[in-house]
Amino acid sequence: QKEVEQDPGPLSVPEGAIVSLNCTYSNSAFQYFMWYRQYSRKGPELLMYTYSSGNKEDGRFTAQVDKSSKYISLFIRDSQPSDSATYLCAMSNGGSNYKLTFGKGTLLTVNP
Amino acid sequence: EAQVTQNPRYLITVTGKKLTVTCSQNMNHEYMSWYRQDPGLGLRQIYYSMNVEVTDKGDVPEGYKVSRKEKRNFPLILESPSPNQTSLYFCASGPGGASYEQYFGPGTRLTVT
Repeated sequence: QKEVEQDPGPLSVPEGAIVSLNCTYSNSAFQYFMWYRQYSRKGPELLMYTYSSGNKEDGRFTAQVDKSSKYISLFIRDSQPSDSATYLCAMSNGGSNYKLTFGKGTLLTVNP
Repeated sequence: EAQVTQNPRYLITVTGKKLTVTCSQNMNHEYMSWYRQDPGLGLRQIYYSMNVEVTDKGDVPEGYKVSRKEKRNFPLILESPSPNQTSLYFCASGPGGASYEQYFGPGTRLTVT
């Protein structure tokens, strides 16, 4: 079983839709959770950073972590064509090597 | 502007010709790391550094070397590149301490023929 599973998509939605992106994981030691956005031919850009379970909101983006289910989500409200990118989830167990374990990414297209 | 920079951005080389990819950050971060990104395999950590002169292997270190002589710089060295090192490489940095977030550079696309 892979440590982090993420549906690769592609996911195509109309402009203005609410987008839900998800990852599941198997390692119960993960306690730091991140979402990155990666545009084509660019480096991953940190969108959201959360510790342990709960919700965090930043503008149109909401990150949710459910450690009991080993499930994390990123919601994008009022999606825009500029949100079209690959979204990567990443996790860390808080170890001294600061290693991030990534999902393989979900390709999102928001159509005008 | 706070950023991680990498050079070169694109590189085509031949098997066995030593090369160095530079990485620099201006955020005074303790932690720096190198990843490679390959289709179907995602992002995998090559090496990381907790501070000056402190480096350690990640998940895929074979064929790579690193050094951390200054806090801001973390070059990746391929002493004898091979075609299976053709990949997209990212440098990342993070504050360390109690913070596990990392910030990525723009990437270096390497082709080894």
